[in-house]
Amino acid sequence: AQKVTQAQTEISVVEKEDVTLDCVYETRDTTYYLFWYKQPPSGELVFLIRRNSFDEQNEISGRYSWNFQKSTSSFNFTITASQVVDSAVYFCALSENTGNQFYFGTGTSLTVIP
Amino acid sequence: SQTIHQWPATLVQPVGSPLSLECTVEGTSNPNLYWYRQAAGRGLQLLFYSVGIGQISSEVPQNLSASRPQDRQFILSSKKLLLSDSGFYLCAWRTGRGADTQYFGPGTRLTVL
Repeated sequence: AQKVTQAQTEISVVEKEDVTLDCVYETRDTTYYLFWYKQPPSGELVFLIRRNSFDEQNEISGRYSWNFQKSTSSFNFTITASQVVDSAVYFCALSENTGNQFYFGTGTSLTVIP
Repeated sequence: SQTIHQWPATLVQPVGSPLSLECTVEGTSNPNLYWYRQAAGRGLQLLFYSVGIGQISSEVPQNLSASRPQDRQFILSSKKLLLSDSGFYLCAWRTGRGADTQYFGPGTRLTVL
């Protein structure tokens, strides 16, 4: 079973629109960590944020915000007032407290149209 | 600060030829190291990971192998490449597990013809 699900394969928005990327995870661990990465066209994955399972506070960083809800096992990512530079593939990932692996979702390709 | 290097950046190889991709990490010791492959337009597939010198865990049985001859060096190899080996190969490291963030190298684009 997929531990991290990103149901949105591709999203297109017009510049300045807000967009939310969905992430649903599955784990039996009580302690776990969630991540978002950005993969621009150059290919390198860039780390954006990490949240731990103890902290459900939403986080905001500039135009980026993250909504973590344990009740729905979701960790959604919102970009406000999108820009062309936001065009990339975004990956959500899960790390459990036991084990050495990262579990990545299949990614959401975001295109921001000028 | 820590940095991760991969080379070569791009590679075009004929079917049946050998492969060697190298990844090195600077600024940390005893990292966990990972090899991923990303086919065009697809997600990340974990190929191998290593928690120490000589310790390799394989996630996908195939014609690829990995080795960790030194603490901060991780090598991906193949004796005979297949067309299906084409893709974007990413190396990553983290200091441990659990809360530790995984950081990625710039990647190698491999095309097998």
